[in-house]
Amino acid sequence: QIQLVESEGGVVRPGGSLRLSCAASGFTFSQYGMHWVRQAPGKGLEWVALIQYDGGKAYYADSVKGRFTISRDNSKNTLHLLMISLRAEDTAIYYCVKDAGYVNAHSFDYWGQGTLVPVSS
Amino acid sequence: DIQMTQSPSSLSASVGDRVTVTCRASQPISTYLNWYQHKPGKAPELLIYAASSLQSGVPSRFSGSGSGTDFTLTISSLQPEDFAAYYCQQGYSTPYTFGQGTRLEIK
Repeated sequence: QIQLVESEGGVVRPGGSLRLSCAASGFTFSQYGMHWVRQAPGKGLEWVALIQYDGGKAYYADSVKGRFTISRDNSKNTLHLLMISLRAEDTAIYYCVKDAGYVNAHSFDYWGQGTLVPVSS
Repeated sequence: DIQMTQSPSSLSASVGDRVTVTCRASQPISTYLNWYQHKPGKAPELLIYAASSLQSGVPSRFSGSGSGTDFTLTISSLQPEDFAAYYCQQGYSTPYTFGQGTRLEIK
């Protein structure tokens, strides 16, 4: 079955950096776009970033543009999110998410369990 | 960017009730509209994709409709396990924005 397993988050100081990873299995990883979606405490879901199936293009929410970098290693079925210059407002649960594709309205059909990233001094 | 507006933001209902949640896009998005259920401590789950297609494994009491800018999610007969938050999401263009969510609570 399809599984997405995020690496542990952990407390980060404001201004600090962290790289999240997501190990994918149960599907042909190199054929699908992948996303990061987050949820801050008490808030709704926020789309963060998308990387195309082949890593050719990446897209970001304005709130993270220039600070976050999404990448993938199709040889290792792994998705990454490098976060720098972290702010308190980046505190959230971060989900690794599979894109179901254009014909399925770019819905998010599989989600990881989420990893908490607290940004605090 | 496309803004997604859900209503209501919260809703109280009883087991067996029929409930409807609406989602409006700030510009036409055809049927690139998806619905999710999110329970505390768990990952969100896809319910409806492409406005009206039921995701595999999702009970048939869930349905979706709409196109263009106006969409609805309907639960025909609420079950105890349906009390959760619901989100719409547009897949028409990046950034793939979510609605602010609808919290469905037990009356």
